[in-house]
Amino acid sequence: EADIYQTPRYLVIGTGKKITLECSQTMGHDKMYWYQQDPGMELHLIHYSYGVNSTEKGDLSSESTVSRIRTEHFPLTLESARPSHTSQYLCASGGDSSYNSPLHFGNGTRLTVT
Amino acid sequence: KNQVEQSPQSLIILEGKNCTLQCNYTVSPFSNLRWYKQDTGRGPVSLTIMTFSENTKSNGRYTATLDADTKQSSLHITASQLSDSASYICVVSDRGSTLGRLYFGRGTQLTVWP
Repeated sequence: EADIYQTPRYLVIGTGKKITLECSQTMGHDKMYWYQQDPGMELHLIHYSYGVNSTEKGDLSSESTVSRIRTEHFPLTLESARPSHTSQYLCASGGDSSYNSPLHFGNGTRLTVT
Repeated sequence: KNQVEQSPQSLIILEGKNCTLQCNYTVSPFSNLRWYKQDTGRGPVSLTIMTFSENTKSNGRYTATLDADTKQSSLHITASQLSDSASYICVVSDRGSTLGRLYFGRGTQLTVWP
């Protein structure tokens, strides 16, 4: 049912490589988010965007960057991957300005850095 | 510090039985509380959203309750099915910003056995 898509689903990459995790949504949502999730732990916000050309860092210190050139697209880039970046990355979007609007999540990218 | 605590951490029940998951929070000011279901390898999917004035909300076999005075919520699952096996995440939103900041619990891992 998801209208928010993440690619790749799984990625194994060596230390020092540059990677981009893709996220696209077809719902026209202004707000988009990137979360990091480790097993048994809560989701941590690493980046968010209010709309085109708007990006902010979240709570979790991250060496990643994001861009929002188009409403539907919110890619996350790691310039130099490290083993500490190994985690599950979830992209989400939320529609209107109402607090009651639910987040729609993608199915995630599981990243392993060797 | 705003927190969301869920219990139990994990739960195993037999198919057809009922169960109740708990969520206690200290988030203030309070805007709304959401329950999400996250299947293994997938992103979370919204089950219910409740605001301050709502005590109960149902979604099929899922019924959420909210006591804003004691800052407690529960998710009751009736007549469990194998497909209910998942992590159930409680998420609380504050009113501290236009973004409506979200606080995530660590989830309850439910396993339904045949």
